[in-house]
Amino acid sequence: DSGVTQTPKHLITATGQRVTLRCSPRSGDLSVYWYQQSLDQGLQFLIQYYNGEERAKGNILERFSAQQFPDLHSELNLSSLELGDSALYFCASSSSGRIDEQFFGPGTRLTVL
Amino acid sequence: DQQVKQNSPSLSVQEGRISILNCDYTNSMFDYFLWYKKYPAEGPTFLISISSIKDKNEDGRFTVFLNKSAKHLSLHIVPSQPGDSAVYFCAASEGRNTPLVFGKGTRLSVIA
Repeated sequence: DSGVTQTPKHLITATGQRVTLRCSPRSGDLSVYWYQQSLDQGLQFLIQYYNGEERAKGNILERFSAQQFPDLHSELNLSSLELGDSALYFCASSSSGRIDEQFFGPGTRLTVL
Repeated sequence: DQQVKQNSPSLSVQEGRISILNCDYTNSMFDYFLWYKKYPAEGPTFLISISSIKDKNEDGRFTVFLNKSAKHLSLHIVPSQPGDSAVYFCAASEGRNTPLVFGKGTRLSVIA
């Protein structure tokens, strides 16, 4: 158990819908990262927050947005969902923002029908 | 355009033998490399890393080798154990505080 929790574990929805994925980092970790792993791709970095502020942005679609709240939990919002958005979404946290100190959650599996 | 490539989707090795997982990269700005291990229904866990100032890093049964001129790194597991069966991801970054770029992973099966 990494100490990072993600909810829900599974999510099934329809095209055009909007969903919110939630991540609670390890106690004390200030940095949160979001990754997407689709069927034919490796893990792709989406976005990083550090203590509530956006720190780095990767290949995140405009239909996706994220935020980190004062209690340090983070939410990833996916809207106007398409079939291709079906993937595993991982959250990771670290105390300092260093990449070699990231601890990953178990992921949320999103299925868009 | 994939900056980090793991060309072998899968690998089978007998228990006790050496497992060698390979990774190639194209971005010459990468200077920090990591290997992650992932079991089903779990998130990736950090295994071992190496910075570009070294060509080898060892941690128990795991050794990572870096060949900067060839833009190639490899992970050696000796001896391989059935519990090593997992998907291994290679990742790289341009610094310890910059985002990771992952390969697609190699599924290792260690056969007893």
